[in-house]
Amino acid sequence: DADVTQTPRNRITKTGKRIMLECSQTKGHDRMYWYRQDPGLGLRLIYYSFDVKDINKGEISDGYSVSRQAQAKFSLSLESAIPNQTALYFCATSVDRAPGGEQFFGPGTRLTVL
Amino acid sequence: AQTVTQSQPEMSVQEAETVTLSCTYDTSESDYYLFWYKQPPSRQMILVIRQEAYKQQNATENRFSVNFQKAAKSFSLKISDSQLGDAAMYFCAYSTTQGGSEKLVFGKGTKLTVNP
Repeated sequence: DADVTQTPRNRITKTGKRIMLECSQTKGHDRMYWYRQDPGLGLRLIYYSFDVKDINKGEISDGYSVSRQAQAKFSLSLESAIPNQTALYFCATSVDRAPGGEQFFGPGTRLTVL
Repeated sequence: AQTVTQSQPEMSVQEAETVTLSCTYDTSESDYYLFWYKQPPSRQMILVIRQEAYKQQNATENRFSVNFQKAAKSFSLKISDSQLGDAAMYFCAYSTTQGGSEKLVFGKGTKLTVNP
């Protein structure tokens, strides 16, 4: 079984809709991250969380919100989706103070906003 | 802020040959980590290799090795004996510890094609 899972794997939605992307992990890691990937831009950090009570904005947090429901769950919400939020979204985890900050990625969610 | 630059949007190599992917970065920190991640068509992000900045010895993982030039802020990936399964997007990433947090900063990626 995958250590980091994301649901859904693919989603098509309409402008203005609220949508939630979910991430679960069985690695027992404290730290979780949300990235988005756009063609030609690499991965950019949206939000990150070091534990249930510690949530931080990343490079591109506008238009997004997150919820850390438990150590193992970290959800990303788009309150009112817009077309330029069409992207591939990745969740990642890491061990607290892991050497080098190595991160482990989920399989990604491809989101299309029409 | 740290930046990571991959100057080659696309590269190609013949099967069994060697290819080098370039990466440069900008930082004022003296202690950091560098990574190469591979993203095949399945879109899963897979760690290929990691380099610790305070180690002068270049990291090696089987057919993958790096050429780490700290003074030049360069971190290239060499793939030897290329295989069809090496075809993927490759991302160079920098791990910063600014503010006590380990965050990855990614380059824009290099698409590697392996020709049979």
